[in-house]
Amino acid sequence: GESVGLHLPTLSVQEGDNSIINCAYSNSASDYFIWYKQESGKGPQFIIDIRSNMDKRQGQRVTVLLNKTVKHLSLQIAATQPGDSAVYFCAEAQGGSEKLVFGKGTKLTVNP
Amino acid sequence: EADIYQTPRYLVIGTGKKITLECSQTMGHDKMYWYQQDPGMELHLIHYSYGVNSTEKGDLSSESTVSRIRTEHFPLTLESARPSHTSQYLCASSARQRTEAFFGQGTRLTVV
Repeated sequence: GESVGLHLPTLSVQEGDNSIINCAYSNSASDYFIWYKQESGKGPQFIIDIRSNMDKRQGQRVTVLLNKTVKHLSLQIAATQPGDSAVYFCAEAQGGSEKLVFGKGTKLTVNP
Repeated sequence: EADIYQTPRYLVIGTGKKITLECSQTMGHDKMYWYQQDPGMELHLIHYSYGVNSTEKGDLSSESTVSRIRTEHFPLTLESARPSHTSQYLCASSARQRTEAFFGQGTRLTVV
């Protein structure tokens, strides 16, 4: 079936570097995407979202890029900090549905 | 900070017992969800509700049941727990015209 997935299960970066976490989706009808951060022992926390009528959206230290041509979503974290260490999930709302479908997470480890 | 609460945080219970996982939100959100998440894995939707007296099964088949008698409360019940039910259960809610969901801390269930 159609699903949302991530390219890499783990990512290790040095403190202060920029991080890029990738996500591929297969449902071309999806029109809304979210990135969540999940720290150990906690529920997912909303980071940033983007609608399909946009290709870029910026937040505080984070940027989400959407490439609808190749069905690719990425999360960029600037000046990565140890507190950014967590598992990051992308999720999509498939066209007309209000339910979120989650992909497999990427575990980000920030080395001091 | 989202106001959605789950109890208990951790539960260890014997096979065959009936259990109810509690979820409450104080944001007045119409939509509520239950996700199941195994360690290090993606979230799978097992139940959702669009409002009082509305409940639907999610994408992942589950032996659990839910009820929505009050807007703020969305409990999940397992009539007879089995070891295969061991997992983390995450409750979430979202506003009527919005898709982004806010999550509780989760209940980590272990059935022995």
